[in-house]
Amino acid sequence: GAVVSQHPSWVICKSGTSVKIECRSLDFQATTMFWYRQFPKQSLMLMATSNEGSKATYEQGVEKDKFLINHASLTLSTLTVTSAHPEDSSFYICSAPLLGQGRDNYGYTFGSGTRLTVV
Amino acid sequence: DAKTTQPPSMDCAEGRAANLPCNHSTISGNEYVYWYRQIHSQGPQYIIHGLKNNETNEMASLIITEDRKSSTLILPHATLRDTAVYYCIVRVAGGGADGLTFGKGTHLIIQP
Repeated sequence: GAVVSQHPSWVICKSGTSVKIECRSLDFQATTMFWYRQFPKQSLMLMATSNEGSKATYEQGVEKDKFLINHASLTLSTLTVTSAHPEDSSFYICSAPLLGQGRDNYGYTFGSGTRLTVV
Repeated sequence: DAKTTQPPSMDCAEGRAANLPCNHSTISGNEYVYWYRQIHSQGPQYIIHGLKNNETNEMASLIITEDRKSSTLILPHATLRDTAVYYCIVRVAGGGADGLTFGKGTHLIIQP
């Protein structure tokens, strides 16, 4: 089945540094990738949508200059958390739509997530 | 996307069937019911989806009421590994231009 590989699975960084998270679609082309953030004991919240070859669109309240998204190829999207602060500590998850037809559309496949801890 | 309502938590004994309800009274005629689950510290996993007929796959069964205003996800023989948060989401199939809107889901705890 369609797999999205997400790396790293966890990262600890110092406050003020930047962290890059990668998501690769392994056996399909992902023209669109969604990025979610999940705080402890809360549900997933959509942060932004990246489209191959164009600028990402961000949800209301998400700082585009802080969360840089690059979708340079059909199989790779990256999220860079710039100048990270402790409040950015969260679980980040990427997802790609599976564009099947009719009921063969399984919706979305998700990466395994990245646990970011900023100290 | 139509709004869904799920109980916040449920317990089920290992080996028994787990029945997870979902209300979606404002569902539109072209919206499917999707179920995903999220095991702790992992990304969500697709389980099953349906439009109006009942569906079954190797993981679960989905029972949708005739008026489509509610549905039930059934895990026939729950194991400890089925402990997870289960999300019921209704949306139009196909497209993929929009991300998913996750509610709070149901935290299913399988008891040994």
